[in-house]
Amino acid sequence: DVKVTQSSRYLVKRTGEKVFLECVQDMDHENMFWYRQDPGLGLRLIYFSYDVKMKEKGDIPEGYSVSREKKERFSLILESASTNQTSMYLCASSLGGGRGSPLHFGNGTRLTVT
Amino acid sequence: DAKTTQPTSMDCAEGRAANLPCNHSTISGNEYVYWYRQIHSQGPQYIIHGLKNNETNEMASLIITEDRKSSTLILPHATLRDTAVYYCIVRASLRYGGATNKLIFGTGTLLAVQP
Repeated sequence: DVKVTQSSRYLVKRTGEKVFLECVQDMDHENMFWYRQDPGLGLRLIYFSYDVKMKEKGDIPEGYSVSREKKERFSLILESASTNQTSMYLCASSLGGGRGSPLHFGNGTRLTVT
Repeated sequence: DAKTTQPTSMDCAEGRAANLPCNHSTISGNEYVYWYRQIHSQGPQYIIHGLKNNETNEMASLIITEDRKSSTLILPHATLRDTAVYYCIVRASLRYGGATNKLIFGTGTLLAVQP
């Protein structure tokens, strides 16, 4: 079974803090993704990566950055947290190669910025 | 990516088959049909996916019509733990090198399995 592990289930941070969300997958997947999920807005793609050190912006990258130094690990960074970044953050991974491979999600990190 | 239409909610008796429909009349030839489910406060769980042929795995079966404009997810023996929101998504395969991978979940179907 694919395992995507997010380091924290719940996180509370103050406005202006730098926040790191970590994600690790154990299936040697090429692609990794960060989404946020908000009521009424569904899942929105923040960033994704298709290889080590490679990254591409998704639909809502503003206020976020990412790091992928190792294949199994993909980090999401909130440079200066703001209250509108309070959300559920979901990491996912998938095989590459264009074979219709599904995304496998972690259990999410619920971030509250006060 | 093609849009999907699902009923807002469905009930199913425990032990019976749950049949969840999805319409995707604008699906393109290279778009797959994916099913996920989400239980409150957890990440979406992948169930099954297919392109043209019917598919079966240990969780469910996926029936895709010949014209590919609709599909049905079948949970053969629903249990209380299958109560969740089920999402049907159609999406082109991610191309290596960075196609934007927008997974549009929509509102899904809330399946309530009754004891």
